[in-house]
Amino acid sequence: AQSVTQLGSHVSVSEGALVLLRCNYSSSVPPYLFWYVQYPNQGLQLLLKYTTGATLVKGINGFEAEFKKSETSFHLTKPSAHMSDAAEYFCAVTPQGGSEKLVFGKGTKLTVNP
Amino acid sequence: DAGVIQSPRHEVTEMGQEVTLRCKPISGHNSLFWYRQTMMRGLELLIYFNNNVPIDDSGMPEDRFSAKMPNASFSTLKIQPSEPRDSAVYFCASTLASGRYITDTQYFGPGTRLTVL
Repeated sequence: AQSVTQLGSHVSVSEGALVLLRCNYSSSVPPYLFWYVQYPNQGLQLLLKYTTGATLVKGINGFEAEFKKSETSFHLTKPSAHMSDAAEYFCAVTPQGGSEKLVFGKGTKLTVNP
Repeated sequence: DAGVIQSPRHEVTEMGQEVTLRCKPISGHNSLFWYRQTMMRGLELLIYFNNNVPIDDSGMPEDRFSAKMPNASFSTLKIQPSEPRDSAVYFCASTLASGRYITDTQYFGPGTRLTVL
């Protein structure tokens, strides 16, 4: 069975600092991996996804994530945090080739301090 | 495209009342999902449909919850009778699936915030 673990339910950074949000997965087959972002009082929107090919994936708003099969990880990074990045971030997984549903992590709430 | 549309955006009701949440998926999408989000349990998948057919309702909490998708452009989630513990944000999402398999992005609606007093 698949599962997703997001380390740290809350992460706080200063504006301009590196953002690192951690995601580890367990899956019996190589997965498709997604990061979604949820701004206050809004629905989730896709930030980036990995399906096949290049393991470093670039998304919107300057975010990127790297699929590391050996570490079963898909951590999300951004070199320089902006106040507008304050939101909750969700990692999700589905087995490669597709699945009937996504499995989401518990989410990490990012706070950006001025 | 207008995106996934949900109504109402906010619902306040009293315990025991029937509540109906509505969703219009993105045109052309063939899979629709209902999620519930709470502080305690996070984001939970309640049920999903593929080509208007319910595929997996194992996440539906109990018989008080029911969902229908009478056509490709409309779905409802009904709670009858409602209880205070049903208070949550309910999201609808849609995607274009290859067969029954999800390989692409799910697009979420803005959610319905339900409060049961």
